[in-house]
Amino acid sequence: AQSVTQPDIHITVSEGASLELRCNYSYGATPYLFWYVQSPGQGLQLLLKYFSGDTLVQGIKGFEAEFKRSQSSFNLRKPSVHWSDAAEYFCAVGLDRRARQLTFGSGTQLTVLP
Amino acid sequence: DTGVSQDPRHKITKRGQNVTFRCDPISEHNRLYWYRQTLGQGPEFLTYFQNEAQLEKSRLLSDRFSAERPKGSFSTLEIQRTEQGDSAMYLCASSLGPQLRNEQFFGPGTRLTVL
Repeated sequence: AQSVTQPDIHITVSEGASLELRCNYSYGATPYLFWYVQSPGQGLQLLLKYFSGDTLVQGIKGFEAEFKRSQSSFNLRKPSVHWSDAAEYFCAVGLDRRARQLTFGSGTQLTVLP
Repeated sequence: DTGVSQDPRHKITKRGQNVTFRCDPISEHNRLYWYRQTLGQGPEFLTYFQNEAQLEKSRLLSDRFSAERPKGSFSTLEIQRTEQGDSAMYLCASSLGPQLRNEQFFGPGTRLTVL
């Protein structure tokens, strides 16, 4: 069965510092990969997605992610974090086949220090 | 605001009571999903609809759960004889088509607390 691992439950960074959130997946094939952000009281918002092609994908709010097939990873990065980036971040995978639902990781809570 | 609305936003109920949640997807979206999110976890898939047809149900969806999308527009999720373990955030999402390339837009969720 497919699974998604986000090894960091909580990350704290200072405003202006760089950020990397880790995501590893377990899958027989290359799945579709997504990063979502969830702020309190808000729905999940899609940051970026990878289906195929260039392994470095750009998303909204200055985020990017790199797909590394050899490491089964899809880590999210941002060069300079803003206080408004404080939220919970979820990595998700899916197979564009029969079920087509998403399998989410357990999330990484990001705290941004002033 | 993604355009997906859910009602109510919060529901507190006593164990054994029935509850019903509503989801209004983006109007032209024919695919509708329900997920459940417990504290400290990511959303878990429950079920999805293509128009009015319920095409798949997760093993998480016990017999006490039922979902409908009668006219292919809004959807309801009913939980009968609620248990404390049902306490969670229930999320609805919709997409324009069945392909995963079509972004799933999530509503704000309904937080259920079972006392």
